[in-house]
Formats: sequence, structure tokens, C-alpha cells
Amino acid sequence: DIVMTQSPDSLAVSLGERASINCKSSQSVFYRTDNKNYLAWYQQKPGQPPKLLIHWASTRESGVPDRFSGSGSGTDFTLTISSLQAEDVAVYYCQQYYDIVQTFGQGTKVELK
Amino acid sequence: QVQLQESGPGLVKPSQTLSLTCTVSDGSISSNSYYWSWIRQPAGKGLEWIGHIYDSGSTNYSPSLKSRLTISKDTSKNQVSLRLGSVTAADTAVYFCARGVRGATVESIDYWGQGTLVTVSS
Repeated sequence: DIVMTQSPDSLAVSLGERASINCKSSQSVFYRTDNKNYLAWYQQKPGQPPKLLIHWASTRESGVPDRFSGSGSGTDFTLTISSLQAEDVAVYYCQQYYDIVQTFGQGTKVELK
Repeated sequence: QVQLQESGPGLVKPSQTLSLTCTVSDGSISSNSYYWSWIRQPAGKGLEWIGHIYDSGSTNYSPSLKSRLTISKDTSKNQVSLRLGSVTAADTAVYFCARGVRGATVESIDYWGQGTLVTVSS
């Protein structure tokens, strides 16, 4: 299985400040045939199911605020919240769908400082 | 907009079989544009991919659960089902049904059900 490792496990950020979450895969999730990284980011708030934020590593899902952005390629990826809002307090997960056995990172909890 | 609703017993005894159903509304499970997944989450912990099923009926399972797991579908009822045998307390979790996108390749999961809590206890 491809192991997804996120860092940090948690971070506290002030309102309006930048938050960055890293995700590292144990093998590349870049598929040369279509030049895409098979990596998604999800946001999960307490008591709710996860919500898709970004797919193909950097493509924002429709309706997701543009303060959320994804970057990276191969094995190293980053989710950035450019200006943290109160409603962004949540746990964030990366997921690879490159392999038929899909796997998630352990999650990163974002809190207000 | 598609809706997914999980249903099934909230309490299962150890060694028995956990059975859940996902009813899909406003979207056909027969469409070759999507696949249907099960994911679980123990209380306070992260997400664990269980497996998924395609419109063709073919499946992919988590290697750690494969020996105990069956995912199937009933096209006439527009439902996807999960059966997990020989359960233990470690199988206690919120179980989510979810839809994944299928283009030229398998793509990301885009819609999730609300999830249903299953507790394994005598």
C-alpha cells in the first residue's frame, strides 16, 4: 500500500494568517500517461463527513473558496489556506487514488490560535 | 445533487457479520461515470478506506479486510452493500458510503454520506 504521511499532526493559526499542511506519499502518485498527480485533499468538521476541497493535487472543487490551494508533485504535496477564517477550523486529510488500494493520511487538525 | 444514505444495525455482537446498505438518490449506481466506496472512521481517529465497487460489479478491497469483506450492489434498488464478517471491537467505527468519479481513470471521491455508527459489543 502507498503510505500517506501528513505533517504536522496539528497546528494553531491566527485568524487571517496562513496555514500550510504537508502530505508525503511513500511512492510517487504522478501518472505520466496523463501528467496528473492522483492526490486529493478533504476537510472534515466535527460530526460531518469529509468534504472534497482539491483533486488532481491542485484543482479546486467547485464552490471551494480560493483561499484554499494545493501544490506539489510526485511524492510531496501541500495544502495552503492563505488567510485562515473561523469556519476553516477542521481536520484535513490527503488521499491518494493512484493505486487501486486508496489510502488517506492520518489527518491534520487546524485550530485557532 | 446525489444523496447517499447509510443504514443498518448500530450494534453488532463480536464474531458476527456487520451488514450495511447505502441507498443512492438522484444518481444511478449503474452509471459508468462513478464508483461507490466504503470508508470507516473510529471515534477520534482518521479515515480508513475499506473498498469500492464499479458499475460492472468488480470490486477492490483493502488487503487488511479482504478476507472478511464483501461489497455488492443491487441495481434495482440503487443500493450498495457492505458485509464484514467475524467482527471484533476494532471494527467499531462510523462507516461512510461515498461516490467516486470515474473518467478515463479512477478519480477522487466527491460525495459522502453522513455516515452511520456501528458498535461491536456483546
